[in-house]
Amino acid sequence: GENVEQHPSTLSVQEGDSAVIKCTYSDSASNYFPWYKQELGKRPQLIIDIRSNVGEKKDQRIAVTLNKTAKHFSLHITETQPEDSAVYFCARGRGGSEKLVFGKGTKLTVNP
Amino acid sequence: KAGVTQTPRYLIKTRGQQVTLSCSPISGHRSVSWYQQTPGQGLQFLFEYFSETQRNKGNFPGRFSGRQFSNSRSEMNVSTLELGDSALYLCASSAAPGSGANVLTFGAGSRLTVL
Repeated sequence: GENVEQHPSTLSVQEGDSAVIKCTYSDSASNYFPWYKQELGKRPQLIIDIRSNVGEKKDQRIAVTLNKTAKHFSLHITETQPEDSAVYFCARGRGGSEKLVFGKGTKLTVNP
Repeated sequence: KAGVTQTPRYLIKTRGQQVTLSCSPISGHRSVSWYQQTPGQGLQFLFEYFSETQRNKGNFPGRFSGRQFSNSRSEMNVSTLELGDSALYLCASSAAPGSGANVLTFGAGSRLTVL
């Protein structure tokens, strides 16, 4: 299958808590896994990405883990802040092509 | 460095009409791809262009077409508009396929409403 399954579709956390969003895929040839954040009325923006030769990548409060054997990857946000509230999209891609297949998105709400 | 520029930002059309959307990539970026975003289907890939050639096409009917010019600017066209074509059309640019990047930078989008 081509699709990327993303869960949960909505997530509400208290400020300071952690948030985890998970995605699964079935295309074995996928080797690029980006995460995009889209605030209301704005364009999707890349927040972190990981390639298949790496198991984990961190950038300050954001981390992504990849389990290529199980074909799933996750976004972890620690110490959430109200400005983290947005819709987050995971995606998968293959080298040499700019085609990305996106998950349906997770609406994250961080309550102050 | 200017970002990805899409025009027009908003437009309203009626069923049966056609529409052309324009995208100017980041200076130096040679690859342009287009995505359709709707509340129900999320972000769906339309097509990808590099060096004026379509490299990849998504599962959309032939009413959706596109092209890329020698300056890397791209246009997409939708003919015989249907109500279901109402969506945000996003253009994204990247340095070049195979450059190891795959990193897409999106424009603000063109919001099309079909009445």
